[in-house]
Amino acid sequence: AQTVTQSQPEMSVQEAETVTLSCTYDTSENNYYLFWYKQPPSRQMILVIRQEAYKQQNATENRFSVNFQKAAKSFSLKISDSQLGDTAMYFCAFINPTGANSKLTFGKGITLSVRP
Amino acid sequence: EAGVAQSPRYKIIEKRQSVAFWCNPISGHATLYWYQQILGQGPKLLIQFQNNGVVDDSQLPKDRFSAERLKGVDSTLKIQPAKLEDSAVYLCASSWQLPFMGNIQYFGAGTRLSVL
Repeated sequence: AQTVTQSQPEMSVQEAETVTLSCTYDTSENNYYLFWYKQPPSRQMILVIRQEAYKQQNATENRFSVNFQKAAKSFSLKISDSQLGDTAMYFCAFINPTGANSKLTFGKGITLSVRP
Repeated sequence: EAGVAQSPRYKIIEKRQSVAFWCNPISGHATLYWYQQILGQGPKLLIQFQNNGVVDDSQLPKDRFSAERLKGVDSTLKIQPAKLEDSAVYLCASSWQLPFMGNIQYFGAGTRLSVL
């Protein structure tokens, strides 16, 4: 079974600074996808960024980028130029694309607070 | 493009009562998911539909939970009778194709259920 571990329950960052959120996962599969989702107080899960395991290049979406270390099974999210609107819970998630009933497995999440 | 719609936003019931949640996925999305998110945890998949057929319901407590997706569009999730431990946010998500395509799941705002 796949597991996703987010060991930091919460973090705080000053507005305009950079913060990195950690995530590790465990799988015996070679082909999979990794995601970071953001969940603000409104509760709606919003996709931040996606990484395909077969791609060596780290994914980037504007101020958000990942450091994907496949051998170490590590998938961290870097938020540059933090904004107040980045305050939310962030979930790391994994999916094994083989089979029709593959599940999206989430970590426990990390609460990020951006200070003005 | 309209997002995933869920109702109600909040529901408070007493234990042993029944409750139902409704979800309308993004138009054209064949796959629909129901997740349970207990406070302080990541979402856990309860059931996954492909069109109007069940793909995975291995984590659905079938003695009290039921779900259906009539005509492959809207879906309802029912709990009967509710227990205190069912207090959680129930999230609905949808995607274009099966998860093994690595497709993105789009989430609704969820229903917060409190069982007293």
